[in-house]
Amino acid sequence: DAGVIQSPRHEVTEMGQEVTLRCKPISGHDYLFWYRQTMMRGLELLIYFNNNVPIDDSGMPEDRFSAKMPNASFSTLKIQPSEPRDSAVYFCASSLGPREYFGPGTRLTVT
Amino acid sequence: TQLLEQSPQFLSIQEGENLTVYCNSSSVFSSLQWYRQEPGEGPVLLVTVVTGGEVKKLKRLTFQFGDARKDSSLHITAAQPGDTGLYLCAGGTGSARQLTFGSGTQLTVLP
Repeated sequence: DAGVIQSPRHEVTEMGQEVTLRCKPISGHDYLFWYRQTMMRGLELLIYFNNNVPIDDSGMPEDRFSAKMPNASFSTLKIQPSEPRDSAVYFCASSLGPREYFGPGTRLTVT
Repeated sequence: TQLLEQSPQFLSIQEGENLTVYCNSSSVFSSLQWYRQEPGEGPVLLVTVVTGGEVKKLKRLTFQFGDARKDSSLHITAAQPGDTGLYLCAGGTGSARQLTFGSGTQLTVLP
């Protein structure tokens, strides 16, 4: 298996622009997680899905952030409008049991 | 809110030295996982401990779960440059699938 796939790997955008991050989980996994990692705050859980249904989005910082999982093989995290403080590495992870498998991350820079 | 504090935050040692990293909480966890993250990649699971007092060994790495399941330690014997990375502990609770991640310990092993 190719593991969790994220795209793009790097994104540089200007403040106010819409940003869409994409994730393909490992086939057969029933949980999908979106995390944000910064030096200041470490690894933060933003939202997670079970069988494509959002279970807990309490970590989503504000209404500018939204996530969808239209099917078992694809999820998106959208930021609209983006702000410089959104600059971070965003990870997607999937799991079937207690172990989470992380993707390589998307490094987002908002100028 | 459950918090996991890791110490030290940063650790720089010479090749061949021993070290211990700590993960502490005031909350009880049903399981405790340790991940290692290398630059430009997502965290990768090293071990999961589930029983109070449990000790697991992975080559030169020894993991221990506290008797009360509130803390854990990671001991590395004869550290090597390849051990360099960010070490994260993560706690799981009951049936909830999301993990609470610690603040991380950045380890640098100098040749």
